[in-house]
Amino acid sequence: AQKVTQAQTEISVVEKEDVTLDCVYETRDTTYYLFWYKQPPSGELVFLIRRNSFDEQNEISGRYSWNFQKSTSSFNFTITASQVVDSAVYFCALVRSGAGSYQLTFGKGTKLSVIP
Amino acid sequence: GAGVSQSPRYKVAKRGQDVALRCDPISGHVSLFWYQQALGQGPEFLTYFQNEAQLDKSGLPSDRFFAERPEGSVSTLKIQRTQQEDSAVYLCASSLMRTDFNYGYTFGSGTRLTVV
Repeated sequence: AQKVTQAQTEISVVEKEDVTLDCVYETRDTTYYLFWYKQPPSGELVFLIRRNSFDEQNEISGRYSWNFQKSTSSFNFTITASQVVDSAVYFCALVRSGAGSYQLTFGKGTKLSVIP
Repeated sequence: GAGVSQSPRYKVAKRGQDVALRCDPISGHVSLFWYQQALGQGPEFLTYFQNEAQLDKSGLPSDRFFAERPEGSVSTLKIQRTQQEDSAVYLCASSLMRTDFNYGYTFGSGTRLTVV
C-alpha cells in the first residue's frame, strides 16, 4: 500500500518569507514517481514537478526548489521569497512506476496563505 | 481544446436525485481519469479509461456510481440516488499516453457537487 503524509494542514507566511512544505511517503515499490501539484482557488490541479525515485538530485526552478531524500522518504518543497500568488493548496502525490501503473496517491494537502 | 473542460462547474442535487457530470479531455488524449476530492482531502482515484475502454473502476465507491466514455473522448460520470456523502469535487484528468509521468496528468477545474 502507498501513503503520502503532509503533516502541515495550513501555513501562513508574510510575503517575501521563505516557506517549506513537507511531504513524507510510504511505498514498498523500489521505483516510483513523486509529484507536487498546486490547487489555486479556481480548483484545477496544476502540475509543478515530477521526480523519479532513481534521481535524488535536488531541483530548483525559479523561486521553487525541491529536496528529495530517499533515506527519509521525504520530498519537501520550498518557496523562496513567497508571493501572494503562491497562496493555494499544495499536494504531494506518489505513483509507482512500471506497466499498469497510473493511480496517483495524494496527500491531504497543505493550504498556504501568503499575507501581503 | 486547450485544457480539460468539466461541466457543470457547480451542481446542487437533492438527496435521491441522479446527476451526470461531464468531462471533455484534451483532444487526442488517450487516457482519462476521474478523481473524487472530499472537502479538506486530497483527490482519490475513481476510475480510468483508455480510449473507450474502462480498464479500472476499482475506486468507484458504490454501484450508484457509473462512468462511460463511449467514443473515446468525452466522458460522463453518473451518480444515481445521490447521498450526502457524495458531496465532493469531482476532478477529471487526461493524458496523451497511458502513463504520461513526464508532465503529470492535466486536470480540469472540477465539478463541485453538493447534495442537500
